[in-house]
Amino acid sequence: DGGITQSPKYLFRKEGQNVTLSCEQNLNHDAMYWYRQDPGQGLRLIYYSQIVNDFQKGDIAEGYSVSREKKESFPLTVTSAQKNPTAFYLCASSIHFPGTNEKLFFGSGTQLSVL
Amino acid sequence: GDSVTQMEGPVTLSEEAFLTINCTYTATGYPSLFWYVQYPGEGLQLLLKATKADDKGSNKGFEATYRKETTSFHLEKGSVQVSDSAVYFCALSKGGYQKVTFGTGTKLQVIP
Repeated sequence: DGGITQSPKYLFRKEGQNVTLSCEQNLNHDAMYWYRQDPGQGLRLIYYSQIVNDFQKGDIAEGYSVSREKKESFPLTVTSAQKNPTAFYLCASSIHFPGTNEKLFFGSGTQLSVL
Repeated sequence: GDSVTQMEGPVTLSEEAFLTINCTYTATGYPSLFWYVQYPGEGLQLLLKATKADDKGSNKGFEATYRKETTSFHLEKGSVQVSDSAVYFCALSKGGYQKVTFGTGTKLQVIP
């Protein structure tokens, strides 16, 4: 079945540590996204990529980094510069960068917590 | 900028009750409107969408009508089930290389 796979489901970060969240899709979608979800808040866009080897900052990119070396993969690194990393992280994709009618496909998320 | 406003939750209903979750938006142009649903511990999945004024999106007994005059896209269901318990997100998309804008989500709890 086609879909988006995020791993791990739960991740713990120590002070000063960088951690990487994995996102893989087999939908052959061009565009991929990372969102952060905090309790009681909506989804906030961290980074997005419209095509391989290209990515753009979203609304809250500080303290995060990404790469897009392969169409299927869009890993997110939470760096030590992100002072409040505890959140639920969602990866998504769409066929192209969303046209008006396009829907987003989401992974099942990674819960990141600070030790 | 564009924005989406949803009614605050949580909303608690008894099984078979009528559901309305309000959503209003602010946007220039002619956005498409969406409702996504998130079940506990999972990602979001598209529930329904409408792409132009007066369109009605429907799926799994849920409906929402795109009302341009009131800039609204309220979600309704005639008879909710316990399995409908989830967080519901209203969203808009204008395309043209602009990102999707999400509301803050409304948690629905249905009790037997």
